Amino acid sequence: GQNIDQPTEMTATEGAIVQINCTYQTSGFNGLFWYQQHAGEAPTFLSYNVLDGLEEKGRFSSFLSRSKGYSYLLLKELQMKDSASYLCAVRDSNYQLIWGAGTKLIIKP
Amino acid sequence: TAGITQAPTSQILAAGRSMTLRCTQDMRHNAMYWYRQDLGLGLRLIHYSNTAGTTGKGEVPDGYSVSRANTDDFPLTLASAVPSQTSVYFCASSDSMGGPGELFFGEGSRLTVL
Repeated sequence: GQNIDQPTEMTATEGAIVQINCTYQTSGFNGLFWYQQHAGEAPTFLSYNVLDGLEEKGRFSSFLSRSKGYSYLLLKELQMKDSASYLCAVRDSNYQLIWGAGTKLIIKP
Repeated sequence: TAGITQAPTSQILAAGRSMTLRCTQDMRHNAMYWYRQDLGLGLRLIHYSNTAGTTGKGEVPDGYSVSRANTDDFPLTLASAVPSQTSVYFCASSDSMGGPGELFFGEGSRLTVL
């Protein structure tokens, strides 16, 4: 079966750095996405990786290793507004997105 | 810019009743999707449409039907609601199903079936 694993919850301090990991086992691979979802709101797109390596976008970076079935989302200079759930999703060989359950990130002052 | 509009925002429905969740997008995207989101689970695809006039089944299609008569609208119908269909439903669209095209989501419809 297809599976996306991410930690259920993480806590970090305002101003610090946090890394949210995602491991996947899917039928084929056609890209990995990270989305942010604030409580009670819709998910919004953060990043897309299809080749190995690091993609940087402001305070957020996303890394991919296809051989290891592994990605992480790195958030720097954490702000209180970063408190949200972070969803990892992999597009499989049928171009369907397989979603992880999400990581709830709690930012403390 | 409206993006994707879903209606209703929330609804309480008696078991056995039918219900249609509406979804409209103004971005002229080809692909549209219906997901349900339940606590502790990832988003699960119910149905999708690659382009107007075509639809396909996702991971959890039973009890749901969709139509795609035109590019903009993608309604989801529950013919006879059951309590296990209590969930938050998200409609989404993308320019295509491949490539880096991100999904744009509606604000969600919270459905409670009693």
